[in-house]
Amino acid sequence: EAQVTQNPRYLITVTGKKLTVTCSQNMNHEYMSWYRQDPGLGLRQIYYSMNVEVTDKGDVPEGYKVSRKEKRNFPLILESPSPNQTSLYFCASSLLSGQEYYEQYFGPGTRLTVT
Amino acid sequence: RKEVEQDPGPFNVPEGATVAFNCTYSNSASQSFFWYRQDCRKEPKLLMSVYSSGNEDGRFTAQLNRASQYISLLIRDSKLSDSATYLCVVIDFGNEKLTFGTGTRLTIIP
Repeated sequence: EAQVTQNPRYLITVTGKKLTVTCSQNMNHEYMSWYRQDPGLGLRQIYYSMNVEVTDKGDVPEGYKVSRKEKRNFPLILESPSPNQTSLYFCASSLLSGQEYYEQYFGPGTRLTVT
Repeated sequence: RKEVEQDPGPFNVPEGATVAFNCTYSNSASQSFFWYRQDCRKEPKLLMSVYSSGNEDGRFTAQLNRASQYISLLIRDSKLSDSATYLCVVIDFGNEKLTFGTGTRLTIIP
């Protein structure tokens, strides 16, 4: 089954404790990205990747890191989480051909609470 | 001005009615447009792409107005199952930027 998986689905942590949210897709997609969704602010892009070893900042990259060592995986790293990073996080992937963007497939979301 | 704006609603519409909402964008260089649907606490899923000539998929019609810089979504004969939040997405190839609107919440009332 074609899908994007994220783990964990729910995470409660404390300020400053490093964490990683994993994202994996099995559709051989070039493009992967991370979003956070907050009430009234909608989905905001954190980082995106056009292909392996190619990553770039989205609209709200501060406090986050990513890596793309393999095509299927795109982990999101919070080196020192803070309460303002409490949010619902989505990973997404899509085909990318030239300048043609295709349907974004989203993972089920990770609800993160930082106390 | 926000890059992509949607009326957040909520829109409460009786079953069977026709409902339409718009999404305005500020960057005239934007080149691709989509509508996504998001159910409560779930991931967004593609509803339909928006083509320059307008396009229809069953009860759903999407339109693009480049002159006025907005896209629209029309839902005819609305069903209870159409209750969701509808997100517009605007893509600017020039700076590889993909921007979501904040969403319009729709509730269909029996």
